[in-house]
Amino acid sequence: DTGVSQDPRHKITKRGQNVTFRCDPISEHNRLYWYRQTLGQGPEFLTYFQNEAQLEKSRLLSDRFSAERPKGSFSTLEIQRTEQGDSAMYLCASSLARDLGGYTFGSGTRLTVV
Amino acid sequence: DAKTTQPPSMDCAEGRAANLPCNHSTISGNEYVYWYRQIHSQGPQYIIHGLKNNETNEMASLIITEDRKSSTLILPHATLRDTAVYYCIVRAWALIIQGAQKLVFGQGTRLTINP
Repeated sequence: DTGVSQDPRHKITKRGQNVTFRCDPISEHNRLYWYRQTLGQGPEFLTYFQNEAQLEKSRLLSDRFSAERPKGSFSTLEIQRTEQGDSAMYLCASSLARDLGGYTFGSGTRLTVV
Repeated sequence: DAKTTQPPSMDCAEGRAANLPCNHSTISGNEYVYWYRQIHSQGPQYIIHGLKNNETNEMASLIITEDRKSSTLILPHATLRDTAVYYCIVRAWALIIQGAQKLVFGQGTRLTINP
């Protein structure tokens, strides 16, 4: 297992377009998290799943954002009608429930909205 | 979550020990101290965590004061590849187990290792 994979690594889109990112967690990890990071700031929590259930969403996750984890494996994060303020690094992480150890993060998808 | 305070930046010479401090004076008895780092253009990487005893792994050592109000992450022989932003985070174990708590990152300490 090569860790958490995110695709694409970079995405440039025009304002108003929809974009979708994919995250493949470590296979045995049942928890999956999405974070967003803007330049010079620490990552900010967006949402998390335990298996296929989305258990928590941040206020940062506006109605233009939607995340799914249909079979409890990979996850997608979609942003509709992108705005320039959506430009950021989108990070995915996974972990085992009931494990005090740390999360494993992917390398992120860098979104630029022009 | 207990709030953490870290210096915004630090420098260390290559080959020397890098000691990164973190204050968490409002930490409660069931809160663990976690350290992550983020190398430029990568996702954060888990380093180590502890409750009240000192911990060591292949990456670093974590020293927690007896009153648990502060801790120090030690990179014993810093290399240029240790240049990164280091985040100190506290989390309650019960909430971790329940999945009711997410990582809350602050600004961290930007550590620069100089040749």
